[in-house]
Amino acid sequence: KAGVTQTPRYLIKTRGQQVTLSCSPISGHRSVSWYQQTPGQGLQFLFEYFSETQRNKGNFPGRFSGRQFSNSRSEMNVSTLELGDSALYLCASSPGTSGTLSYEQYFGPGTRLTVT
Amino acid sequence: GENVEQHPSTLSVQEGDSAVIKCTYSDSASNYFPWYKQELGKRPQLIIDIRSNVGEKKDQRIAVTLNKTAKHFSLHITETQPEDSAVYFCAASLKTSYDKVIFGPGTSLSVIP
Repeated sequence: KAGVTQTPRYLIKTRGQQVTLSCSPISGHRSVSWYQQTPGQGLQFLFEYFSETQRNKGNFPGRFSGRQFSNSRSEMNVSTLELGDSALYLCASSPGTSGTLSYEQYFGPGTRLTVT
Repeated sequence: GENVEQHPSTLSVQEGDSAVIKCTYSDSASNYFPWYKQELGKRPQLIIDIRSNVGEKKDQRIAVTLNKTAKHFSLHITETQPEDSAVYFCAASLKTSYDKVIFGPGTSLSVIP
């Protein structure tokens, strides 16, 4: 099976702009989670989607939003970008349903966002 | 909400020695504890995990132990090799009807040849 893919891989934006990142999960996986990774804060949970519904949300401001499509692909959007939003944004997919292997998450390569 | 602490933040060992990384979690309801390895410039990869109904799990040179009473779990790497050098993240989650995985801050492991 193909792994988790994310586009774009690198992005440079200026303060105040908005950005949309895309994640395509492993075929058959219905759960997609998003994380922000920074050197000082580690991996911070943003939100999780399953069957087009947000099931869980981390402690990020409302400028961070996401959605999931019927094919399980997910996008996250950050509006009114701030310098502190510069980070590696990782998505991870998992089956999302009960079962022996359903707990395992597989990460994509990430999108490196730089805000200037 | 869940909070995961991880120690040490950096660890340096001689090749062939053992390495131990310890984590504690706050939510007693958490029932799934994965460990991820992230090499420089690469994505995190699951290396081992343990569920709350198991006290210990081994996979070749890697083992994880879980003490639910004390709410802590540990990663043990034996016979370390230079390719074990990476950042290791522990995590805790409550697997019911949703996925919310909370990660520890990470441990940077260096194995000196």
